[in-house]
Amino acid sequence: AQKITQTQPGMFVQEKEAVTLDCTYDTSDPSYGLFWYKQPSSGEMIFLIYQGSYDQQNATEGRYSLNFQKARKSANLVISASQLGDSAMYFCAMRPGRNQGGKLIFGQGTELSVKP
Amino acid sequence: GAVVSQHPSRVICKSGTSVKIECRSLDFQATTMFWYRQFPKKSLMLMATSNEGSKATYEQGVEKDKFLINHASLTLSTLTVTSAHPEDSSFYICSASWIAGFKTQYFGPGTRLLVL
Repeated sequence: AQKITQTQPGMFVQEKEAVTLDCTYDTSDPSYGLFWYKQPSSGEMIFLIYQGSYDQQNATEGRYSLNFQKARKSANLVISASQLGDSAMYFCAMRPGRNQGGKLIFGQGTELSVKP
Repeated sequence: GAVVSQHPSRVICKSGTSVKIECRSLDFQATTMFWYRQFPKKSLMLMATSNEGSKATYEQGVEKDKFLINHASLTLSTLTVTSAHPEDSSFYICSASWIAGFKTQYFGPGTRLLVL
């Protein structure tokens, strides 16, 4: 079965500190993509970072980095130097396989609150 | 990044009426568009995948006759909720990609539907 699991419904972090949002996945496809999206209260889905299953290095995009541990099937998002504007829902998603039309499977989400 | 728009952003309708939601890719040609549904504080659930010029592929449990999807051009897909009922009230989000397996999908801002 193809599944994404986010076990942290809510997280708190102090402003300027780093925070890690957990994500594990399950797929039997050798080729897949992993994504993180941010959804503020306005509802828009903002793409943060992407990791391909064959990528040798962990993806980084500014303050966002993805800790990809393939053997553990985990793809945790690390946000460094948290800002108040980082408060939002964060979704991990997987695009399984090459022949599945590019659809995304989303995790349950983690609500991040940044404290001043 | 690529821009996807949705119209309307909010709609309130009476039970039994039909509602059409438009999803447009503004600066690229979208060969594939996806429709998701999201309940408050919940994950995005894929409803269907549409490819330009062909019939949409619906996910298991999604009523085809209830949620009509049309992808008539490379820049426009529509979702029509037919004979809407209060349980259809939800946040509907579309996304678009120019290649099914491309790195990421670009999401529209979403449409909040309230059926009275």
